[in-house]
Amino acid sequence: GESVGLHLPTLSVQEGDNSIINCAYSNSASDYFIWYKQESGKGPQFIIDIRSNMDKRQGQRVTVLLNKTVKHLSLQIAATQPGDSAVYFCAENIRGGGADGLTFGKGTHLIIQP
Amino acid sequence: DAGVIQSPRHEVTEMGQEVTLRCKPISGHDYLFWYRQTMMRGLELLIYFNNNVPIDDSGMPEDRFSAKMPNASFSTLKIQPSEPRDSAVYFCASSFDRGRGIQYFGAGTRLSVL
Repeated sequence: GESVGLHLPTLSVQEGDNSIINCAYSNSASDYFIWYKQESGKGPQFIIDIRSNMDKRQGQRVTVLLNKTVKHLSLQIAATQPGDSAVYFCAENIRGGGADGLTFGKGTHLIIQP
Repeated sequence: DAGVIQSPRHEVTEMGQEVTLRCKPISGHDYLFWYRQTMMRGLELLIYFNNNVPIDDSGMPEDRFSAKMPNASFSTLKIQPSEPRDSAVYFCASSFDRGRGIQYFGAGTRLSVL
């Protein structure tokens, strides 16, 4: 369940290693899933998205995997760099939902160790 | 395009004062969203507009909050009177592709109510 106050999960990886950030979603009606990156002092920045009828999508150094059976989403970042340090959010776009806004997860703080 | 532009970047005010946050969406985008981000609650959707018309304001915390979009290139979020619990980072985002739900965020306004 949700804890009182946000205690973001933290993932620490060595520079050059691969990282995997996980996200669980709850709404089977979600049509698109989106990953955002938020660096300190900045707004969330779009990274990659995947439609619900896909299992995998690749971008530049990033891969998103979708497992609808267990409602799980992951973001894989290859060969991490210092600039990858940020908070990463998954977001759902719920088809037919009352709001066209995205529903964001709580975020994971990725720290790249030199 | 310069992206979504928000002003001011920082606002410090005293309890009871009126606060106005401003947003210029990306040209051509027909959706505009206002979010609030806090450590306690994460990123929350407050209200969104489509073609300058407010569609869903169910996320607006109370009557002290109001938002307007007088034209396609400008929106305001007003808090009157402000309270210390309103302290947060407020983001504006815009979108033109409802299906994929990709929203482009501004840099945010960090509001501190003393």
